[in-house]
Amino acid sequence: AQKITQTQPGMFVQEKEAVTLDCTYDTSDPSYGLFWYKQPSSGEMIFLIYQGSYDQQNATEGRYSLNFQKARKSANLVISASQLGDSAMYFCAMREGDSNYQLIWGAGTKLIIKP
Amino acid sequence: DAGITQSPRHKVTETGTPVTLRCHQTENHRYMYWYRQDPGHGLRLIHYSYGVKDTDKGEVSDGYSVSRSKTEDFLLTLESATSSQTSVYFCAISESLGQGAYAGELFFGEGSRLTVL
Repeated sequence: AQKITQTQPGMFVQEKEAVTLDCTYDTSDPSYGLFWYKQPSSGEMIFLIYQGSYDQQNATEGRYSLNFQKARKSANLVISASQLGDSAMYFCAMREGDSNYQLIWGAGTKLIIKP
Repeated sequence: DAGITQSPRHKVTETGTPVTLRCHQTENHRYMYWYRQDPGHGLRLIHYSYGVKDTDKGEVSDGYSVSRSKTEDFLLTLESATSSQTSVYFCAISESLGQGAYAGELFFGEGSRLTVL
């Protein structure tokens, strides 16, 4: 079974609109962390935001926020007021347990922002 | 930006030849990783290191070896390259492995595109 599922292979969004990228995960470990990374066409992987399983509040970083619904095992990335520069691949990843070297990655969502 | 440099950035080689990719960091982070990225697979861990001369296998380690003789350098070697090893290879570093609210996020190099003919 997939541990990280990103159900949207691609999305088109109008500039300045908000975007929600879906990520669902599967783990039985009570302690875990969820990450979102951005990969622009230039290829580098850029860390965006992190949510720990015990965090009481949804994580936010500038225009990025994480809609963390623990009971549904979802960790959707929300980008407010999208910009052309947001066009990229977006990856969700999970670390199960504490002090674990292994990150489990989703297959990614390709986001294209239309002017 | 995290100081991570990968070399070479692009390489074309022939089946059966040895290839070494180098990752150099200036952040003095303890943990270093080699991933490969293929369409439809996300990132898959090849090997990682938790200190000088301390390395371990990831989920797709067959056909790869690594070495870490200095904190700042992590080498990935394909002893005899095969076409299935055509991929984009990413080096990553982290200060920790993460615990609780502390993320232990990974910072990535720019990637090395390897083509094996």
